[in-house]
Amino acid sequence: EPEVTQTPSHQVTQMGQEVILRCVPISNHLYFYWYRQILGQKVEFLVSFYNNEISEKSEIFDDQFSVERPDGSNFTLKIRSTKLEDSAMYFCASGSLNTGELFFGEGSRLTVL
Amino acid sequence: RKEVEQDPGPFNVPEGATVAFNCTYSNSASQSFFWYRQDCRKEPKLLMSVYSSGNEDGRFTAQLNRASQYISLLIRDSKLSDSATYLCVVNNNNDMRFGAGTRLTVKP
Repeated sequence: EPEVTQTPSHQVTQMGQEVILRCVPISNHLYFYWYRQILGQKVEFLVSFYNNEISEKSEIFDDQFSVERPDGSNFTLKIRSTKLEDSAMYFCASGSLNTGELFFGEGSRLTVL
Repeated sequence: RKEVEQDPGPFNVPEGATVAFNCTYSNSASQSFFWYRQDCRKEPKLLMSVYSSGNEDGRFTAQLNRASQYISLLIRDSKLSDSATYLCVVNNNNDMRFGAGTRLTVKP
């Protein structure tokens, strides 16, 4: 069964460092998303991406964040200068137009020290 | 008003109980609706879609009331394995927004 894969599963970084989280969505999907979940809190929308551009972004997704789909398969989230409060689980998801269902990766846990 | 609002929970029920979760959404133009399940420290996974006519999948029944902008999930004969957080998800033009989730614990 096709699945969304994310790397790394866990990254520990120092405050102020740049982090890139990688995702390989399901190949025939058209919509791509990043969500984050701080431990014990809700799943928060960060950004959606369609047709090689951002279609929606939340207030969390400030200038420190960016997304790219550099090669038609990977979908990356970059945090330019990490803050302590960026520590969270980051979930990538992809979806097709037809069903509206989202398929999630297993997440990348980011710990900022 | 929050975009997607759910019962805060937690719900602690004995095995075999029937439990119902509610969810309201603010955007009347939303097109599709889902219940996802999230186990501790795992990714959300689709439990079921929610249709206007209501739909059932085994012990799970989902209902949608567009006029009231309200979605529900009913779990009958709850099992220990039903313990999880249940997330209400609302889709508007492929913009998928999640409720905060309702935590369910089923006890022996």
